[in-house]
Amino acid sequence: GAGVSQSPRYKVAKRGQDVALRCDPISGHVSLFWYQQALGQGPEFLTYFQNEAQLDKSGLPSDRFFAERPEGSVSTLKIQRTQQEDSAVYLCASSLELDRRIAEAFFGQGTRLTVV
Amino acid sequence: GNSVTQMEGPVTLSEEAFLTINCTYTATGYPSLFWYVQYPGEGLQLLLKATKADDKGSNKGFEATYRKETTSFHLEKGSVQVSDSAVYFCALRDSNYQLIWGAGTKLIIKP
Repeated sequence: GAGVSQSPRYKVAKRGQDVALRCDPISGHVSLFWYQQALGQGPEFLTYFQNEAQLDKSGLPSDRFFAERPEGSVSTLKIQRTQQEDSAVYLCASSLELDRRIAEAFFGQGTRLTVV
Repeated sequence: GNSVTQMEGPVTLSEEAFLTINCTYTATGYPSLFWYVQYPGEGLQLLLKATKADDKGSNKGFEATYRKETTSFHLEKGSVQVSDSAVYFCALRDSNYQLIWGAGTKLIIKP
């Protein structure tokens, strides 16, 4: 597709349930980012991939959060034993690996996760 | 550490009014600065960017100038339309790869 695609768009999970969120980046984009956006706030960085390598996972809030990008394209963000505080919109973005400082990040529409 | 502060919303204006949304930043080094827009029900879209001091980014009638002396990147538009109603985010990226975001400013334009 032409843009970054995320699925599902909406997910309701019972507390304690595991969830998996999928991101299809723009074809050929080397860099992939996950962000978490709480209601009324700006996005917060979670993790960064360059191809299949996870170069930074410093933003993951706990060891219940896990991300992978095994073939350097599609990425999955997994949250184990979901808690209510995990409720947020999870955004995926991709960009060409040119000058990191100026490269434009293209965002998907996000997955809105609600933990009940 | 790096941070971005932008004016709180909502900002409510009448159609054809002049718009300013303030954004200031704190950063080491020489960051690039961005404005993203999020229309209702849609994902974040890059509106404009500036990569060095005194650069002016512009798109769709919006402008912002990278002011290093005041560490600011204020968003302006001379005449807003109802279709400009959205949430606007100011962000920076330095030599790192993360985008550091402001909290967003909701803009409401009334006919």
